[in-house]
Amino acid sequence: DAGVIQSPRHEVTEMGQEVTLRCKPISGHDYLFWYRQTMMRGLELLIYFNNNVPIDDSGMPEDRFSAKMPNASFSTLKIQPSEPRDSAVYFCASTHDRNRNSPLHFGNGTRLTVT
Amino acid sequence: AQSVAQPEDQVNVAEGNPLTVKCTYSVSGNPYLFWYVQYPNRGLQFLLKYITGDNLVKGSYGFEAEFNKSQTSFHLKKPSALVSDSALYFCAVRLNTGGFKTIFGAGTRLFVKA
Repeated sequence: DAGVIQSPRHEVTEMGQEVTLRCKPISGHDYLFWYRQTMMRGLELLIYFNNNVPIDDSGMPEDRFSAKMPNASFSTLKIQPSEPRDSAVYFCASTHDRNRNSPLHFGNGTRLTVT
Repeated sequence: AQSVAQPEDQVNVAEGNPLTVKCTYSVSGNPYLFWYVQYPNRGLQFLLKYITGDNLVKGSYGFEAEFNKSQTSFHLKKPSALVSDSALYFCAVRLNTGGFKTIFGAGTRLFVKA
């Protein structure tokens, strides 16, 4: 089990540029979550998918953010255009739905810096 | 709306002493409760979860958590702290009906001094 894999680990970009973050969940997991972590706001749920379908995107901050899950083994979070306030660590997590108290498995995150 | 509160930003404890990291929750219904730990530059790691009927839950690395329904609390405990326990700890809640939405508290930084 390779765990949840996120890429890149670090991303530095200039304001206005498009940023794409990538996630490969654990094989067999039905749920995929995107979280954002900042000092000021803590760990915020942005969106989550079940069987590749977005279930709740109420945490997506604005239209500049979009997330897709084209298949069970890949998801992207895109920011276009990026702004300095988007600087944060973005985490992807996955879990299975065999029981409702299944814990989340997190990747090591992507640290995004927008200058 | 569901929410999780961790009232302490930081907890300091001496090595060998017991530790408690507090968590209270507010949800409409019976939630599933979790504790996670985060080390620097890493993702969150699962420590333990509440299982219905067991008010004292045991988890990884000697940690345990005490569930109190009347106080809507799920405090993390360890009888004897280690320096290596120093990390950021998160409490999380998921409703037991509907979707899998999982909400985290703000986190509590634990410092264990040698």
